[in-house]
Amino acid sequence: EILLTQSPVTLSLSAGERATLSCRASQSVSSSYLAWYQQKPGQAPRLLIYGASSRATGIPDRFSGSGSGTDFTLTISRLEPEDFAVYYCQHYATSPPWTFGQGTKVEIK
Amino acid sequence: EVQLLESGGGLVQPGASLRLSCAASGFTFSSKGMSWVRQAPGKGLEYVSTITATTATTFYADSVKGRFAISRDTSKNTLFLQMNSLRAEDTAVYYCARNVGSNWKYYFDYWGQGTLVTVSS
Repeated sequence: EILLTQSPVTLSLSAGERATLSCRASQSVSSSYLAWYQQKPGQAPRLLIYGASSRATGIPDRFSGSGSGTDFTLTISRLEPEDFAVYYCQHYATSPPWTFGQGTKVEIK
Repeated sequence: EVQLLESGGGLVQPGASLRLSCAASGFTFSSKGMSWVRQAPGKGLEYVSTITATTATTFYADSVKGRFAISRDTSKNTLFLQMNSLRAEDTAVYYCARNVGSNWKYYFDYWGQGTLVTVSS
């Protein structure tokens, strides 16, 4: 089972700043089968990125994903007020169970 | 517009059973695999179970294997999760989610709003 470790646990930033979130896998994630989700309090997760770098439908281009192998990054180029949330990575490189990272909370500084 | 609407959650005692439903609309339900993902209070996301589209093949996380059963009724566009022998650690919001991908490599592009299951005496 591939384990995902996200860092930092909490990221304190101001609106307009750049956010860089990390997701590290315990073994190589083949073909970049990695997704990122955003979750706001009381809401369901929302797909942001799949295939490590492809934006889902309707996702603003300030969100970008990169990485391969064991190291992946979600970047929010300029934080908007609505971007303060918890972000999860998920791998789907193998047969299930597909695992999620423990999440990174992006909070207002 | 794709919509997933869960129902059936509630407060039950340890050892009890519960059946969750997820009503799907806005897409061809029979052609999409579906999954359940849960989230314990204040915790992260945990994969629970998947059912494929064409063969209805199923998979379960070890934590629920033998106690939970996923199924689907394509005539009613509804996904189910039968949960038996419930434990306190099953307490969570349960989300249904639509699968995207192939060959058992799936991520989730649409999620329901979730239904809360609380297991407590």
